Amino acid sequence: AQSVAQPEDQVNVAEGNPLTVKCTYSVSGNPYLFWYVQYPNRGLQFLLKYITGDNLVKGSYGFEAEFNKSQTSFHLKKPSALVSDSALYFCAVRPYSGYSTLTFGKGTMLLVSP
Amino acid sequence: GAVVSQHPSWVICKSGTSVKIECRSLDFQATTMFWYRQFPKQSLMLMATSNEGSKATYEQGVEKDKFLINHASLTLSTLTVTSAHPEDSSFYICSARPKNRGPGELFFGEGSRLTVL
Repeated sequence: AQSVAQPEDQVNVAEGNPLTVKCTYSVSGNPYLFWYVQYPNRGLQFLLKYITGDNLVKGSYGFEAEFNKSQTSFHLKKPSALVSDSALYFCAVRPYSGYSTLTFGKGTMLLVSP
Repeated sequence: GAVVSQHPSWVICKSGTSVKIECRSLDFQATTMFWYRQFPKQSLMLMATSNEGSKATYEQGVEKDKFLINHASLTLSTLTVTSAHPEDSSFYICSARPKNRGPGELFFGEGSRLTVL
């Protein structure tokens, strides 16, 4: 069975500083990895995905994520955080091949202070 | 493109009544839609997978008679919470997989907040 771990319930960072939100995964075969963001009382918004190719994936709003196969990680990063980045972030995984639903991590709340 | 609309965004109902939530893909056809439930400060819990023209597939522990799902067309799926009780209060989110897009690409609705009094 596939699984996603987001080890931090909350990440605090000052505006302008770099941020990292951690994600590790477990899946059979090659992974299909996603990051989504959720603002209060809203649905999920797609940020970026990894399928194959470059390990560094660039996404929306200046976010990027680095796929590391040996560490089975897909950490979300941004060089300079904004207060408006404060939200709940979900990592998700599914096997690249075959049919399967997405499995979400429990989410990490990112709080960016002015 | 790839917009998913949920309606209503907020609904308050009395215990014992039924509530219908609609999920529409506005600019694409979705052969598969997913319904999730999210408790406060928790992740999304997949409730069921809805395929157009066929019965929904429910996850273990989800009562199919309680949460009725209908996927009548390629752009509409509905979730009906029957005989709602306060413990059904939650945030319900749908997602849709476009017909001609890669596997795993999902687009999410804005969610529907259900409060059962």
